[in-house]
Amino acid sequence: DIQMTQSPSSLSASVGDRVTITCRASQSISTYLSWFQQKPGKAPKLLISAASSLQSGVPSRFSGSRSGTDFTLTISSLQPEDSATYYCQQSYSAPPYTFGQGTKLEIK
Amino acid sequence: QVQLQESGPGLVKPSQTLSLTCTVSGGSISSGNYYWSWVRQPAGKGLEWIGRMYTSGSSNYNPSLKSRVTIAVDTSKSQFSLKLSSVTAADTAVYYCAREEGNYYAFDIWGQGTMVTVSS
Repeated sequence: DIQMTQSPSSLSASVGDRVTITCRASQSISTYLSWFQQKPGKAPKLLISAASSLQSGVPSRFSGSRSGTDFTLTISSLQPEDSATYYCQQSYSAPPYTFGQGTKLEIK
Repeated sequence: QVQLQESGPGLVKPSQTLSLTCTVSGGSISSGNYYWSWVRQPAGKGLEWIGRMYTSGSSNYNPSLKSRVTIAVDTSKSQFSLKLSSVTAADTAVYYCAREEGNYYAFDIWGQGTMVTVSS
């Protein structure tokens, strides 16, 4: 199985901060990487697919990038509504698809 | 706008079979290049992919669950289903159905999720 190692597991930041979450794949997954946002009691929401393709309706402060097997989700200017848990997920190889452990983002 | 809605029992006894249905509305389950998937999430934990089916009938399952899982699609009802046999307390989770687009295989649409508790 392809392992997805996500970091940090949690972070606290202030409104307006630039926030970065990283996901490392255990092997090459090309750009088959998605990022999801999940708020308590809600289903995950797709933010970014193909490592850097922003989904329709997602604010432009969210962006994704890739360097080899390292992937980054960046929030350029943190907003209060961005408080959530964020997950990466590889879709290069199934079965199984695998998710990162999640990053809980809190607003100071 | 395609929407997904899970349905099924919220309580299942140990050793029995968990059965859930996902109804697809606002679009055809058999049109387009999509897979239909199930994902689960135990309380306070991360996401686990269970498996997926294409409308052609091909399927893939998580090896950790493969011996107990069956996913089926009923195009006439615009539904797909999940059956998980021989359940234990470890199968207690929120179960989500999701649509997977066929280019980069991203889960682009999700159901709201349904909580299933395994308990006697």
